[in-house]
Amino acid sequence: GENVEQHPSTLSVQEGDSAVIKCTYSDSASNYFPWYKQELGKRPQLIIDIRSNVGEKKDQRIAVTLNKTAKHFSLHITETQPEDSAVYFCAASPYSSASKIIFGSGTRLSIRP
Amino acid sequence: KAGVTQTPRYLIKTRGQQVTLSCSPISGHRSVSWYQQTPGQGLQFLFEYFSETQRNKGNFPGRFSGRQFSNSRSEMNVSTLELGDSALYLCASSLERPGTGELFFGEGSRLTVL
Repeated sequence: GENVEQHPSTLSVQEGDSAVIKCTYSDSASNYFPWYKQELGKRPQLIIDIRSNVGEKKDQRIAVTLNKTAKHFSLHITETQPEDSAVYFCAASPYSSASKIIFGSGTRLSIRP
Repeated sequence: KAGVTQTPRYLIKTRGQQVTLSCSPISGHRSVSWYQQTPGQGLQFLFEYFSETQRNKGNFPGRFSGRQFSNSRSEMNVSTLELGDSALYLCASSLERPGTGELFFGEGSRLTVL
């Protein structure tokens, strides 16, 4: 069935270093891959997304890469700051139905001062 | 523009009871989708409604149901509550289908089943 696996489940990095979160998806025809950030006690918010016709997308310190052949996509955060501490969720939309979206299990990112 | 509003924010029920949660989407958004969030399980898709029609459903038992009204407001209902139903229930609204663009989430309804 449709599945999105996300790793690692927890990640601790030194402030200023980079963080990478990886996801794999099962439906090879998936075509939309968003990333959501959820700060403690807050609602999830979209931070970046990528569509299957693009291999990489950047927005300031955040970038997402997509490898359709391997069915992998990754979130890269450079020059991490304390406000980057949050839970990050990747997601994929099965091609069979864009009215459904499958989320990964989340990565808790902690930034050490 | 007002954001997505969910009520109630917190509720406590006992096993066997039923609960109804409400979600008011952003004005102009016709798609409302619901998610269950539990520690370690992430966000699990429950169902999606568009123009009062359920277009998709996740892998949840029939005790979980929902509906959407003509003003796009949506409700979800859980009957015969079980301890494992304790979770944060999030709804999200969007202009189009959830798998095509940004979801705008509400703050959630935290359900505790005793």
